[in-house]
Amino acid sequence: GESVGLHLPTLSVQEGDNSIINCAYSNSASDYFIWYKQESGKGPQFIIDIRSNMDKRQGQRVTVLLNKTVKHLSLQIAATQPGDSAVYFCAAPGGSQGNLIFGKGTKLSVKP
Amino acid sequence: SQTIHQWPATLVQPVGSPLSLECTVEGTSNPNLYWYRQAAGRGLQLLFYSVGIGQISSEVPQNLSASRPQDRQFILSSKKLLLSDSGFYLCASRGDTGTDTQYFGPGTRLTVL
Repeated sequence: GESVGLHLPTLSVQEGDNSIINCAYSNSASDYFIWYKQESGKGPQFIIDIRSNMDKRQGQRVTVLLNKTVKHLSLQIAATQPGDSAVYFCAAPGGSQGNLIFGKGTKLSVKP
Repeated sequence: SQTIHQWPATLVQPVGSPLSLECTVEGTSNPNLYWYRQAAGRGLQLLFYSVGIGQISSEVPQNLSASRPQDRQFILSSKKLLLSDSGFYLCASRGDTGTDTQYFGPGTRLTVL
């Protein structure tokens, strides 16, 4: 089955810098990946997704990169702002009925 | 787009008391629905999922149960709460988006004393 994991449980960046959050997955057949943002006390919020036929996808200030060779994906946040402080999860389908497998999350802290 | 409602937002219950958490979904039909529990500083643990009315699958043995009486209503219950049932409970929906993306509700913070 699939497993996903983040490389670092915490990340601290200076406001205005770029942030990079990394995630590894185990199943080379995984064809879809999702990034979520969870602010304290709230439910996870969908940020961006990417299919395995793409290497890169861009959103507003966020970019997801997928490296299928090493089974690695990353979330890049440009010009990180205090409002970006949250826990970020990667997820991929891995269970029955298309259930998602979630990584443990990386807590991003933005220093003013 | 989908909107997921959960209530109550917070709940403090004594050990041994019953529990009922409700989740309703707007903006989609025949969604797959999910209950997750999240311990403090931890990841998401899938508890139950449902692919249709009256259809419940349990992922882990536990003190909790789930029911789906209507297409867009999902209920998490317990007859007698344990201290270990404390946590942040999240309902999620996977609707007709053509992807496996799940959308989450705001969560219920349950504290069992």
